[in-house]
Amino acid sequence: EIVLTQSPGTLSLSPGERATLSCRASQSVSSSYLAWYQQKPGQAPRLLIYEASNRATGIPDRISGSGSGTDFSLTISRLEPEDFAVYYCHQYGSSPITFGQGTRLEIK
Amino acid sequence: QGQLVQSGAEVKKPGASVRVSCKASGYTFTSYDINWVRQATGQGLEWMGWMNPNNGNTGYAQKFQGRVTMTRNTSISTAYMELSSLRSEDTAVYYCARVVGWFDPWGQGTLVIVSS
Repeated sequence: EIVLTQSPGTLSLSPGERATLSCRASQSVSSSYLAWYQQKPGQAPRLLIYEASNRATGIPDRISGSGSGTDFSLTISRLEPEDFAVYYCHQYGSSPITFGQGTRLEIK
Repeated sequence: QGQLVQSGAEVKKPGASVRVSCKASGYTFTSYDINWVRQATGQGLEWMGWMNPNNGNTGYAQKFQGRVTMTRNTSISTAYMELSSLRSEDTAVYYCARVVGWFDPWGQGTLVIVSS
């Protein structure tokens, strides 16, 4: 089983700042089959990024994903108030499917 | 684009079973797998298993083997997840999601509370 470790656990930033979230896999994620989701309280997760670097429909270009192998990151270039939420990475290249434990992005 | 709408909240006693439904619309139901994920309050996402709506094939996470059953009714584009022998630790929000490799879209979630 591929274990995904996200860091930091909590990130405190101000609107307008840049956020970089990390997701490290215990083994190489095949074909960069890694996705990122945003989750707000009381809501289902929402797809942001798939295949490590492809933005989902409707996701603004200030949100980007990068990485390959075992190291991946999600970057939000200029934080907007609506970006403060919990973010999860997800690998779907190997069974069983696994998720990271999440990074909480909070307003400083 | 597609949408998944799940059934409403459930309260069950320990030892009982629960069945959650997930109705698909806006796309061909049999063309994409459906996966189920749960989330306990304040916790992360836990994958439970997958189902192919076209042929009914399933695959379950080892943790849930023997307790979970995923089925479908193609005539009404609906997937089901049944979890048996419920215990308090099964209290969580249960999500279905369409699989395109990645998960998109997700259902709105169904809260299942297990309490005596």
